[in-house]
Amino acid sequence: QVQLVQSGAEVKKPGASVKVSCKASGYTFTSFYIHWVRQAPGQGLEWMGVISPFGGSTSYAQSFQGRVTMTRDTSTSTVYMELSSLRSGDTAVYFCARDSRITIFGVAPPLTNYYMEVWGKGTTVTVSS
Amino acid sequence: DIQMTQSPSSLSASVGDKITITCRASQSISTSLNWYQQKPGKAPNLLIYDASSLQSGVPSRFSGSGSGTDFTLTISSLQHEDFAAYYCQQSYNTPLTFGGGTEVEIK
Repeated sequence: QVQLVQSGAEVKKPGASVKVSCKASGYTFTSFYIHWVRQAPGQGLEWMGVISPFGGSTSYAQSFQGRVTMTRDTSTSTVYMELSSLRSGDTAVYFCARDSRITIFGVAPPLTNYYMEVWGKGTTVTVSS
Repeated sequence: DIQMTQSPSSLSASVGDKITITCRASQSISTSLNWYQQKPGKAPNLLIYDASSLQSGVPSRFSGSGSGTDFTLTISSLQHEDFAAYYCQQSYNTPLTFGGGTEVEIK
């Protein structure tokens, strides 16, 4: 079955970086975008960006531009999300989620709607001095 | 960015009740609207996509409606396992944005 398995919890100091992994299985890795969404304690969901595993192209939310980098390793069917210059407000659970659209050569069809169909269990990142 | 406003932010209800959660977009998003359920300590789970299409495996007591700027999620007869948080999300434009969430609690 389709699964996204995320790496374990991390504790980082302010100013450091964290790299979270998301390993996909049960489908063709390069055929579906992967999104990253985070949730601060007791708060709602915040979209961070998306990566196309086929060619590695990315789109980031403006609020994370310059601090977030999403990459992928097709040999291991894994995507990574690295967040730098961490501050206490980055303490959150970070989720990866697979897009619903099947891509062709890494490009999604121009559908009017798409959604996050399969989610990882989340990775807790705590930023504390 | 498209702002998504959910109401109420929380509600108390009893098993068997019918409840409705609303979601309003700051601009027209056609039917590019999805609903997720999230239980404590778990990842969100897709319930409804395209505003009104029921995701496979989701009980038929869940339904969605709306288009343009106004949307609703209805649970026709609340069950114990439905006590959770619910989020709407638009995919009309990036950045994708979520509503603030509705916590459904046991009365």
